[in-house]
Amino acid sequence: DAMVIQNPRYQVTQFGKPVTLSCSQTLNHNVMYWYQQKSSQAPKLLFHYYDKDFNNEADTPDNFQSRRPNTSFCFLDIRSPGLGDAAMYLCATSRANSRLNFGAGTRLSVL
Amino acid sequence: KNEVEQSPQNLTAQEGEFITINCSYSVGISALHWLQQHPGGGIVSLFMLSSGKKKHGRLIATINIQEKHSSLHITASHPRDSAVYICAVRSNSNYGGSQGNLIFGKGTKLSVKP
Repeated sequence: DAMVIQNPRYQVTQFGKPVTLSCSQTLNHNVMYWYQQKSSQAPKLLFHYYDKDFNNEADTPDNFQSRRPNTSFCFLDIRSPGLGDAAMYLCATSRANSRLNFGAGTRLSVL
Repeated sequence: KNEVEQSPQNLTAQEGEFITINCSYSVGISALHWLQQHPGGGIVSLFMLSSGKKKHGRLIATINIQEKHSSLHITASHPRDSAVYICAVRSNSNYGGSQGNLIFGKGTKLSVKP
C-alpha cells in the first residue's frame, strides 16, 4: 500500500493560473519535503516542514508556497506558474534524519 | 566541482553481470542515501548508511567514512534493475541551505540488457 500519496499524478495548467499539488502520508512522519526535479537533473529541495516548523530554501522562488494543515497532509501552491516551472514535483517524508519515503510524484505541465 | 560525484554516469550491462556504482563526496556527512528512480517514476530509498555495509536481497551498499566514498553493488543483475541510481548525502552542518539538506549526485543511469 502506498504510504506517501501524491495527487494528481499529472497536472496540466495554464501559464499564470494557480495550481495546488497535494501530498498525504500514512507513516506519521514528522518531516515532509517538497522537491522539484527537472529532466535529467537531481531533485532540488524547495522547502520542508519539521513538525509545524516551515523551512524555506534560500533560492526557492516566492511563487512557491506550502501549507501543512496537519501531520498527514502537505500542499504545494504555485501562485503563477511559468513555463520554467514545468517539472516533476516529489513529496517525501521521514522521521528526523532517517530514510526518506518518496511519493510517486506529480508531473506538472504548463501551457 | 560537485560535492557529490557519481561514476559512471551511464552503465550498460548484460543480465547476470555484477554491477558497481561509485559515489564520492567532499563534505562532512551524517548519513549517505542510495536511491532508485525508474523512468517517469517516483524515487525509492534503497539504503541509508552512516558506516560499514548493508545488504538487501541482491543489493549491497558500503561506505568508507575516512575515504568519503560509497559503493552500490548489484549481484546477478536483471533488466528490471534498469533505473537511475542516485547517491545523496545528508550534511552534518548548515551546508547548502537548511541544516541537514540532502546533497544529491547527478545519478547513474543503468541499463541491463536481457
